[in-house]
Amino acid sequence: EAQVTQNPRYLITVTGKKLTVTCSQNMNHEYMSWYRQDPGLGLRQIYYSMNVEVTDKGDVPEGYKVSRKEKRNFPLILESPSPNQTSLYFCASSTGGHQPQHFGDGTRLSIL
Amino acid sequence: GQNIDQPTEMTATEGAIVQINCTYQTSGFNGLFWYQQHAGEAPTFLSYNVLDGLEEKGRFSSFLSRSKGYSYLLLKELQMKDSASYLCAVMFSGGYNKLIFGAGTRLAVHP
Repeated sequence: EAQVTQNPRYLITVTGKKLTVTCSQNMNHEYMSWYRQDPGLGLRQIYYSMNVEVTDKGDVPEGYKVSRKEKRNFPLILESPSPNQTSLYFCASSTGGHQPQHFGDGTRLSIL
Repeated sequence: GQNIDQPTEMTATEGAIVQINCTYQTSGFNGLFWYQQHAGEAPTFLSYNVLDGLEEKGRFSSFLSRSKGYSYLLLKELQMKDSASYLCAVMFSGGYNKLIFGAGTRLAVHP
């Protein structure tokens, strides 16, 4: 089954404790992206990747890092999480261009 | 900025028709998507428009007017399961095709 898998689905943690949210897709998609979704603001792009070893900042990259060492994986790293990073996070992938993005089921992060 | 505007909330009756509007700035426009998102779930793709006119897909249709910076999603024969948020997302050309999402329209369908 074609899917984008994120882990964990839920996480409650404390300020400053490094965490990684994993994202994996099995569709051989070149394009992958991370979004955060906050009430009233819609989905905002954090980082995206056009292909292996090619990543770039989206609209809200501060406090986040990503890597794309393999085509299927695109982890999101919070080196020193802060409460303003409490949000619902979605990973997405597509073949690029004008093709629709496929979204993972989301990761709800709470930073205390 | 590249603002995408859509109503925050709408209500409708089961079996009725509802139209959800989306407006955007026309500069750099390169395509428009509609996604459906049920509460607590991932967005799922509904439709894509890049040329003017109506695209029909079963009970759902999407319309685009590029000159007016306007799109709408039309949902016919509403069902209770259509209660969800509907996200308008516009692709803007640049170094790469950047996708900007509106805040979403929360639709409540009542019996």
